[in-house]
Amino acid sequence: GENVEQHPSTLSVQEGDSAVIKCTYSDSASNYFPWYKQELGKRPQLIIDIRSNVGEKKDQRIAVTLNKTAKHFSLHITETQPEDSAVYFCAASIRGSGNTPLVFGKGTRLSVIA
Amino acid sequence: DTGVSQDPRHKITKRGQNVTFRCDPISEHNRLYWYRQTLGQGPEFLTYFQNEAQLEKSRLLSDRFSAERPKGSFSTLEIQRTEQGDSAMYLCASSSDGTRQPQHFGDGTRLSIL
Repeated sequence: GENVEQHPSTLSVQEGDSAVIKCTYSDSASNYFPWYKQELGKRPQLIIDIRSNVGEKKDQRIAVTLNKTAKHFSLHITETQPEDSAVYFCAASIRGSGNTPLVFGKGTRLSVIA
Repeated sequence: DTGVSQDPRHKITKRGQNVTFRCDPISEHNRLYWYRQTLGQGPEFLTYFQNEAQLEKSRLLSDRFSAERPKGSFSTLEIQRTEQGDSAMYLCASSSDGTRQPQHFGDGTRLSIL
């Protein structure tokens, strides 16, 4: 079955710097890759997703890149702010399409230091 | 759109008791998913529905767990004869049909087994 590895497990950056979180997946059939942000005690919130027919997607300070050949995808946050501090999870769809169950990475705890 | 709602938010019970959780998805969403999240981990898939049909159950879902979505709207997850290892956050998510539709999560039900 699908397996998703996420690195690093913790990340501290100075406010204004960039943060990069990387994930790899095992099932070449997966073609939908969302990223979720989870603040303490709150629900996971979708922040960006990418489909396998594109290599990069950007939304303001957040971007995601996908390398299907290498089976890895990354989240990039630029100009980090204290409110970006949270746990970030990458995920991959189990069987291709996004409306099938997701397999999640173990999360990255991002701390933005003011 | 009130989002995905779950009830109760917290449940404390003694080992061996039965518990039932409820999830109300976003109203136009046909797909409903249950995940379990333990401390420091990403959500793990349990089961999911398309309308009232249960399409898949994870190996994590032992015989003590049962889920229903009788009219294709809200869903219930029941755990019988609870064990210490059942302590976790139980998350519900929903999505539209169609390819690669994003899943939106509820706030979860935190279960604590005494």
